Amino acid sequence: QSALTQPASVSGSPGQSITISCTGTSSDVGGYNYVSWYQQHPGKAPKLMIYDVSNRPSGVSSRFSGSKSGNTASLTVSGLQAEDEADYYCCSHAGSNTLIFGGGTKLTVL
Amino acid sequence: EVQLVESGGGLVQPGRSLRLSCAASGLSFNGYAMHWVRQAPGKGPEWVSGINWDNDRTGYADSVKGRFTISRDNAKNSLSLQMNSLRAEDTALYYCVKDVGGIYRNMEIWGKGTTVTVSS
Repeated sequence: QSALTQPASVSGSPGQSITISCTGTSSDVGGYNYVSWYQQHPGKAPKLMIYDVSNRPSGVSSRFSGSKSGNTASLTVSGLQAEDEADYYCCSHAGSNTLIFGGGTKLTVL
Repeated sequence: EVQLVESGGGLVQPGRSLRLSCAASGLSFNGYAMHWVRQAPGKGPEWVSGINWDNDRTGYADSVKGRFTISRDNAKNSLSLQMNSLRAEDTALYYCVKDVGGIYRNMEIWGKGTTVTVSS
């Protein structure tokens, strides 16, 4: 099991949109529509932002959206706000009853 | 309000065992899959194990397969993780996590975690 590949960092100015990619293989991201995204602020537990590729849990801002094409999933944050600055992790079903996380992306709001 | 409270963490020597527990409240526990996820200091989260709502299916990360066992007691609204043959690399904060649905694939509600330190 190799971790899914995410960019180490992305940044954007308030009001802008950014996209974080999550690249896997046909055995994980590409093989299942079970990709989720998590936001983690320092010292806090991760928070589910997107599940099953593009579904938003109740209470999560509509500024967050998810998609997938082939072996790559993406998280888009539109209308960037200061409170969006955090670490973001993707996770995918990886076959054999397992899940696997990405290495994480640090989002900086300039 | 859903609450997940982990317990059982602590300092343990390499090769020894530890059992983590998670008490769930504020939800129909038997309707949801559950997970254990760990996070080493300064690292990202690592999925450790999951179990379906009805105990029918479980899964483990390669790093713990054969050493850890997940179980649940729906009558007691509790989740457990039996950890054997512990290694230094198992040192982490261990979270109990509720899934969105009955099949484990998304991690919705997280507890505060319990810390496991494996050291001689």
